[in-house]
Amino acid sequence: KQEVTQIPAALSVPEGENLVLNCSFTDSAIYNLQWFRQDPGKGLTSLLLIQSSQREQTSGRLNASLDKSSGRSTLYIAASQPGDSATYLCAVKGGGADGLTFGKGTHLIIQP
Amino acid sequence: SQTIHQWPATLVQPVGSPLSLECTVEGTSNPNLYWYRQAAGRGLQLLFYSVGIGQISSEVPQNLSASRPQDRQFILSSKKLLLSDSGFYLCAWSPGGGYTFGSGTRLTVV
Repeated sequence: KQEVTQIPAALSVPEGENLVLNCSFTDSAIYNLQWFRQDPGKGLTSLLLIQSSQREQTSGRLNASLDKSSGRSTLYIAASQPGDSATYLCAVKGGGADGLTFGKGTHLIIQP
Repeated sequence: SQTIHQWPATLVQPVGSPLSLECTVEGTSNPNLYWYRQAAGRGLQLLFYSVGIGQISSEVPQNLSASRPQDRQFILSSKKLLLSDSGFYLCAWSPGGGYTFGSGTRLTVV
């Protein structure tokens, strides 16, 4: 059974810093990996989708990498801003129709 | 365009009362649809998924059920709610490879 772990569980940094969020998964036979952002009391917003054949994806200040063989992904946030404060969730998709497996998330606070 | 709608946004229900949450999607035929629950400290848990009308797969034993009466409609139900059913319920689909989630329903059972 696939298990997804996110480290750290919480992170608080001053504005302007570059930071890295980590995600690991136990079964490397994934179809894709997706990073989401969740604001308090809200739904999930997709940030980046990486197919299993890809090594990384970029969107603005965000860059996500995937090392499928070692079961790891990182989300890099450059020049962090207070508006980046949220919970970041990593999720992997296996080959079947049975949805995503999520990590418990990293709660990020960017101090002004 | 491809959109997903979920309602209501919040719901407070007494123990033992019934539940019906609805999710509808637009833009793609015969989509795979999903219900997730997010409980405090437990992360997002897949409850049900459906690959077509009348086809429901359950991931965990529970007090809830799901139905898909139409191609683009997915309903989450309960006959009698328990306190442990409280949580944030999210509908999702994957029209283009990645997953898109609805805005969620915050259910509080009192």
